[in-house]
Amino acid sequence: NAGVTQTPKFQVLKTGQSMTLQCAQDMNHEYMSWYRQDPGMGLRLIHYSVGAGITDQGEVPNGYNVSRSTTEDFPLRLLSAAPSQTSVYFCASSSPYPSSRETQYFGPGTRLLVL
Amino acid sequence: GQQLNQSPQSMFIQEGEDVSMNCTSSSIFNTWLWYKQDPGEGPVLLIALYKAGELTSNGRLTAQFGITRKDSFLNISASIPSDVGIYFCAAGSNYKLTFGKGTLLTVNP
Repeated sequence: NAGVTQTPKFQVLKTGQSMTLQCAQDMNHEYMSWYRQDPGMGLRLIHYSVGAGITDQGEVPNGYNVSRSTTEDFPLRLLSAAPSQTSVYFCASSSPYPSSRETQYFGPGTRLLVL
Repeated sequence: GQQLNQSPQSMFIQEGEDVSMNCTSSSIFNTWLWYKQDPGEGPVLLIALYKAGELTSNGRLTAQFGITRKDSFLNISASIPSDVGIYFCAAGSNYKLTFGKGTLLTVNP
């Protein structure tokens, strides 16, 4: 049981480039989320999904797209990277049973630098 | 949006001392969580609280879900060097988590 996995671990982009951050979980969790973490800001919710085919915006969704075609995968897409998107990105998943849908388990993160 | 006020921002303590940190909010939440994050790693869940007034322990850690559902505290007893890290509170409702800005804990051996 690998839990939540994220790839890549590190990425450097130039302004305007696109890329996809991958996230997968093998716990059969219904809920998956993406957060970004910036110094002194804690973690902020970008997008979340309550199940395959269902996504919604979080606190800071601008510049990011998501889709959820399977229960296991929840990729985050940057269509045109900007320096303001330099951050550490965390994917998380949760299930209402046996805990709660808000009890989220995090991946190891992707560190992104946009030049 | 919803905000959590976490304090203190940082703590410097001697090994063996007890630690207390807390989070408050103006909003009501259904779930309160405490995470620890080590450098270069993702947050790791320490304690989850689901009922107002609930007091839960995990080894040397104890946390409580406030009666008003607007606050929570985390205590660490008899601190050890490996307790070093950033501790985050998080509060949840309707699928979403809101995070505090973290407490940086340094333990001097």
